[in-house]
This record gives sequence, structure tokens and C-alpha cells, in this order.
Amino acid sequence: NAGVMQNPRHLVRRRGQEARLRCSPMKGHSHVYWYRQLPEEGLKFMVYLQKENIIDESGMPKERFSAEFPKEGPSILRIQQVVRGDSAAYFCASSPTGQWMNTEAFFGQGTRLTVV
Amino acid sequence: TQLLEQSPQFLSIQEGENLTVYCNSSSVFSSLQWYRQEPGEGPVLLVTVVTGGEVKKLKRLTFQFGDARKDSSLHITAAQPGDTGLYLCAGVRNNQGGKLIFGQGTELSVKP
Repeated sequence: NAGVMQNPRHLVRRRGQEARLRCSPMKGHSHVYWYRQLPEEGLKFMVYLQKENIIDESGMPKERFSAEFPKEGPSILRIQQVVRGDSAAYFCASSPTGQWMNTEAFFGQGTRLTVV
Repeated sequence: TQLLEQSPQFLSIQEGENLTVYCNSSSVFSSLQWYRQEPGEGPVLLVTVVTGGEVKKLKRLTFQFGDARKDSSLHITAAQPGDTGLYLCAGVRNNQGGKLIFGQGTELSVKP
């Protein structure tokens, strides 16, 4: 059973370009979460999605960021018109349910975005 | 303001020593998890604690959830170089499934 797969592992974008980060959850997992890790700031929650639905996007910046988890295919975190401050490691996690007391979430290896 | 305060942020010890990492908050959490993260990798779950006062052991690691479910600790006995890594606590508030709140992490270095 493959783990959570994120790609690309490393992504370099020039300021103003778009970044697309992909996350394929573990088989059987329908709940996906995106987190951002900035140096010395720890992991920050961005968005929680269940197939075709955004459940909680309270951690998403209001502009330029969007996320989707279509019925078929991976979850996508999209960052438009990237700026240097978007440089970070972006992690995706998946779980079979949304109840953290009774379930384990598995994290992917992350995508390291560098904006030059 | 950090909702979950971890301390210490950095810890460098010799092999064989014991250590404790603390995770504190003024808020109550439904559950609390501890993760370990290696450089260039994602966090890996070590344990989930749910009940106030709960103690769980994982080989040389002992995890405790405070009685009031506002704090937690991770104790490592006889640390080994293989324990080196970033340790993260993360909590869920008010059964907000999905929204894990992470502490800043404790960077542990165990020297042989």
C-alpha cells in the first residue's frame, strides 16, 4: 500500500508564475489536508478537503491560493502569481476519516517550493 | 501567538542521557499527537493521546497527556543517536477534525 504521494518533491518558480502541487492520498483515504512549513515556524494548517468538497479552508490565504480534490485524480494546491514569501515546504496528509482521535493521518514527503 | 508552546526548541545531549520535551497550552485539546520529522521528509506519527492523564509508552519513549488536556510531555530514556530529529506536538481542538495545530517543534541532537 503506497503512502501519500506528493509531486514534485522540489519546485522552483519565478515570481509571478503559478505553482501546482499534487497530492495522491493513500488508497482508501478520502480526507486530505494541506499544511505549510516555513523555517522556524512549524507546520501551519491550510485546508481540509474531502472528495469534491472543501471542509475547512480557514488557514488558506485569501488571495492567490486555491485547493481542490476532484472525484478522480489527486488533490491540487494551486498558488497563482507566486511571491518569495510563498517559498516553503508544503505537506499533504490523508486519513480514512476526519476524526483525529480515532484515526491516523499519514503525511507525504512534501513539496519544497522555491520562488526566485 | 503560538497556541501550542513547545520547549525546549533545541536540545543537544550525549548518548545515554534522558530528556523531556514539553508541549503547553492554555487551551483544552480533544486529542494530542506527537510526530517525528526527519530532514527532507514528512512528519511521522508516534502516538495519539486522548484521555486526560493518559500515559503511553513506545519502547524508550513515554508520552503523557495532562489531566486537564492542556499539556503533554515526551520523555526519552537513554537517548540514542538514532533519536535525533525534529519532534512535533499537534493538537485537535473541540473535535475540529482535520485541523491539527502544531507546536514549533523541538530539534533534538543526540551525540555518540
